[in-house]
Amino acid sequence: AQSVSQHNHHVILSEAASLELGCNYSYGGTVNLFWYVQYPGQHLQLLLKYFSGDPLVKGIKGFEAEFIKSKFSFNLRKPSVQWSDTAEYFCAVKKTSSASKIIFGSGTRLSIRP
Amino acid sequence: DVKVTQSSRYLVKRTGEKVFLECVQDMDHENMFWYRQDPGLGLRLIYFSYDVKMKEKGDIPEGYSVSREKKERFSLILESASTNQTSMYLCASRTTQQGSYYGYTFGSGTRLTVV
Repeated sequence: AQSVSQHNHHVILSEAASLELGCNYSYGGTVNLFWYVQYPGQHLQLLLKYFSGDPLVKGIKGFEAEFIKSKFSFNLRKPSVQWSDTAEYFCAVKKTSSASKIIFGSGTRLSIRP
Repeated sequence: DVKVTQSSRYLVKRTGEKVFLECVQDMDHENMFWYRQDPGLGLRLIYFSYDVKMKEKGDIPEGYSVSREKKERFSLILESASTNQTSMYLCASRTTQQGSYYGYTFGSGTRLTVV
């Protein structure tokens, strides 16, 4: 069965620090990959997605993620975080069939010290 | 702007009560999903529906049922609420139209407390 692993449960950084959140998945076939973000008190929203093509994808608010197929990874990065990036981040994967459901990781809580 | 609306933001129910959580989407999406979100466990799929009157069990269906009589509405039912069903419940929908974005649009969630 597919699974998604986010090894960092809680990350604490100072403003302007660089961020990398790890995400690994277990499915061996072709996949679509997502990062969702949930700001405090708000609903989950899409940060970025990978479907095909350039493995380095850019999302909103300066975030990017790199798909490394050989490592089954889709790590999220941001060169310089802001206090407003405090949120919970979820990595997710689905098989490329349009009917497949999305499998979510357990989430990483990011706290930014002002 | 596309919307997934969950009828209640906060709900408090007693043990043994039958609880209905409602979700409505206005995007004519075929697929709808119910997840529960718990700290450290991420989002776990309870039930999903590929289309009207269709439903499939997710990873944790025990103690829940669903209803999808109309395309825009997907209801989650707790037949007899228990304290271990205290959680945040998230509804999501998705289109399966070719060439579309196959990710989810989420509702704002219902925080259910069972006492």
